[in-house]
Amino acid sequence: QVQLQESGPGLVKPSETLSLTCTVSGGSISSYYWSWIRQPPGKGLERIGYIYYSGSTNYNPSLKSRVTISVDTSKNQFSLRLTSVTAADTAVYYCAREFDPGIAYYWGQGTLVTVSS
Amino acid sequence: EIVLTQSPGTLSLSPGERATLSCRASQSVSSSSLTWYQQKPGQAPRLLIYGASSRATGIPDRFSGSGSGTDFTLTISRLEPEDFAVYYCQQSGSSPWTFGQGTKVEIK
Repeated sequence: QVQLQESGPGLVKPSETLSLTCTVSGGSISSYYWSWIRQPPGKGLERIGYIYYSGSTNYNPSLKSRVTISVDTSKNQFSLRLTSVTAADTAVYYCAREFDPGIAYYWGQGTLVTVSS
Repeated sequence: EIVLTQSPGTLSLSPGERATLSCRASQSVSSSSLTWYQQKPGQAPRLLIYGASSRATGIPDRFSGSGSGTDFTLTISRLEPEDFAVYYCQQSGSSPWTFGQGTKVEIK
């Protein structure tokens, strides 16, 4: 059974960089598409972007200038960097494995990241 | 950007009743790109339906999806206690991929 686990700081200061890692277990990361999706408290879902195991990426245009998603196949992990964060970036961040691009099948439990000084 | 509008915002029903959830797109969406998720409080979303009408593995057959173009529907034929949750539609046919704002199905 594939499992995903997000990790990283739960508190980030405004203007700094949010960094999260998703560790995949129960299967190899060397296949499929891998995504980051976020959900502000009490609100709906927003796609951040995805990466193919080979390294090709696709980002939400509204975040593209601030987002980098990378993959480390040796560690079975993929990561999210979001620069110049503001309070609007406060959200639960989920990592997911796509069944096909756009269809998130396996999800991590999510991690709350709060942007505050 | 394709805007997905879900209605109603909240659906109050009793167990055993039928639930009909609507997802309307601001422009035409390929059926292959329309997905439904279920989310319970404090949990990650769960994939229910992909390709507008295909159930994901392990999803009971009381859940069904239909529609095309700009109008899509998720139907729960007979609500079970575990079905009370928030449901989101999502399109991945046009960048950026977008979600609807969700429909909450609550116990009446």
